[in-house]
Amino acid sequence: NAGVTQTPKFQVLKTGQSMTLQCAQDMNHNSMYWYRQDPGMGLRLIYYSASEGTTDKGEVPNGYNVSRLNKREFSLRLESAAPSQTSVYFCASSELASGGTDTQYFGPGTRLTVL
Amino acid sequence: AQSVTQLDSQVPVFEEAPVELRCNYSSSVSVYLFWYVQYPNQGLQLLLKYLSGSTLVKSINGFEAEFNKSQTSFHLRKPSVHISDTAEYFCACHSGSARQLTFGSGTQLTVLP
Repeated sequence: NAGVTQTPKFQVLKTGQSMTLQCAQDMNHNSMYWYRQDPGMGLRLIYYSASEGTTDKGEVPNGYNVSRLNKREFSLRLESAAPSQTSVYFCASSELASGGTDTQYFGPGTRLTVL
Repeated sequence: AQSVTQLDSQVPVFEEAPVELRCNYSSSVSVYLFWYVQYPNQGLQLLLKYLSGSTLVKSINGFEAEFNKSQTSFHLRKPSVHISDTAEYFCACHSGSARQLTFGSGTQLTVLP
């Protein structure tokens, strides 16, 4: 099992450009998450999907959109990138559906720089 | 609303010395608590978790944490650290009503030779 995979690993964008971060998991998990990690702030939840076909906003959703393409894949889109979106982005998945308390498994991250 | 506070952003310690990384949480409902570790340029890995039962939980590599409800704490301890323990450690909290994890700001543990 590859676990949680993310592409790309690194990306540099200019302000105003758009891009999609891809995430896939092969553990048959129901829930998937997108976080951003900034120095001194820990991880903050952007969006999550408790099950296939549903998505909900997290703590910092502004400037982002998501798509739960199927049970395996959960993408994060930046429509018009801004320097404030320079960060490391992590995708995660967990087995249980909404309301469950279980372990989240993380991907290796995407390091995004917006100039 | 729930929140997690990690009181130390940096903890330097000499090899084979004991270490404690502090974590306090705030929640009005029952919580479930986690410690994750992040090695340089990698994603987060679960170190240990408290869901219910015994308040002392242990990891396979010698770390342990104790859930203290009265002090709303979940401090991480190891009696003797190794160079390979150098990493950033994140405490996280989950309550059933919140549906997602809330992370602390992280503690960078640096083990010195």
